[in-house]
Amino acid sequence: AQSVTQLDSQVPVFEEAPVELRCNYSSSVSVYLFWYVQYPNQGLQLLLKYLSGSTLVKGINGFEAEFNKSQTSFHLRKPSVHISDTAEYFCAVSDWNNAGNMLTFGGGTRLMVKP
Amino acid sequence: ETGVTQTPRHLVMGMTNKKSLKCEQHLGHNAMYWYKQSAKKPLELMFVYSLEERVENNSVPSRFSPECPNSSHLFLHLHTLQPEDSALYLCASSQGDSYNTEAFFGQGTRLTVV
Repeated sequence: AQSVTQLDSQVPVFEEAPVELRCNYSSSVSVYLFWYVQYPNQGLQLLLKYLSGSTLVKGINGFEAEFNKSQTSFHLRKPSVHISDTAEYFCAVSDWNNAGNMLTFGGGTRLMVKP
Repeated sequence: ETGVTQTPRHLVMGMTNKKSLKCEQHLGHNAMYWYKQSAKKPLELMFVYSLEERVENNSVPSRFSPECPNSSHLFLHLHTLQPEDSALYLCASSQGDSYNTEAFFGQGTRLTVV
């Protein structure tokens, strides 16, 4: 069985400061990892994904994440945040089979960017 | 329209009502999903349809009944719900036979059961 743990439920940060949102996973099969963002009253939008290859993955809006197999982590980072980055961020692991891409989500981290 | 569209965006229903949530995807995908997002709980996968056949049912109560008439449309029929069923219901789609693709989500239906 797969599981995802997002260690921080809320992360307050000042504008233009760097931020790291932590994610740890457990999986017994090949790992496909995702970060999604959810703005208020919206659905989820993909930020980035790790499927294979380079462990440093770059996504939209200046975000990046690093896959660390030994630490079973996939932390999300941004060197300088904006007010507009205020949202809920979800880490997810995929249990992909021929029937589809079933995602197991972490509990989410609310990023609050303050001026 | 493009992407994944859910209607209605908001729904208030009584515990004895019957209602349906609708999802439509314009991405040419062949897998569709229902997720439930409750306050203080992680997103939960409810149902998966691949090629219009249900392939996953995560122990969801029978008061939720999904329907997938074709690869572009997905419904969630609701009857005799409980107040704890109040949540944001998200629909998603993906290309089910390809691992290097992500799930695309709709904006959700905010359901309130009174």
